[in-house]
Amino acid sequence: EIVLTQSPGTLSLSPGERATLSCRASQSVGSDYLAWYQQKPGQAPRLLIYGASSRATGIPDRFSGSGSGTDFTVTISRLEPEDFAVYYCQQHVDLPWTFGQGTKVEIK
Amino acid sequence: EVQLLESGGGSVQPGGSLRLSCAASGFTFSSYAMTWVRQAPGQGLEWVSLISHSGENTYYADFVKGRFTISRDNSRDTLYLQMNNLSAEDTAVYYCAKGTGGNYGGRFDYWGQGTLVTVSS
Repeated sequence: EIVLTQSPGTLSLSPGERATLSCRASQSVGSDYLAWYQQKPGQAPRLLIYGASSRATGIPDRFSGSGSGTDFTVTISRLEPEDFAVYYCQQHVDLPWTFGQGTKVEIK
Repeated sequence: EVQLLESGGGSVQPGGSLRLSCAASGFTFSSYAMTWVRQAPGQGLEWVSLISHSGENTYYADFVKGRFTISRDNSRDTLYLQMNNLSAEDTAVYYCAKGTGGNYGGRFDYWGQGTLVTVSS
């Protein structure tokens, strides 16, 4: 099973600041099989980034993803109030599909 | 508009059974793999099971293998999860999610709102 480790666990930032979230895989997942999701309290997750760097439909361009192999990053260039949420990475190169434990982006 | 509507959750005693349903609309259901993902209270996301677009191929996380059965009825645009021999560790919100491919569809572009399963005596 591929283990995904996200860091940091919690990121405390102010609106307008830049957020950088990391995801490290226990073995290579290439670049095509890494996705990121955003989840707000009481809501279902929403696909944010797929293929490590492609934005999903309707995702604003302040969100960007990068990485390949075992190290991946999602960056929010300038935090908007609606961006404060929990973010999960997920690999789908190998079953079982696995998720990271999440990074919570909270208002400082 | 794509919609996924789960139902069937509720409270059940340890050892009991539940059957979850997920009614799909707004896309060609029979063309896409579907998945169940769960989230225990206050915890992260956990993949549970996958079914290919035709229903021919199914896959399970080890922790549900032999207890849960995923199925689909493409004539009714509905996904199911039969859960048997439930334990407290199965307490979670269960989400159905649409894959982006037909056979594996390992990334999920649409999610239902979730249905809560509580296992307690």
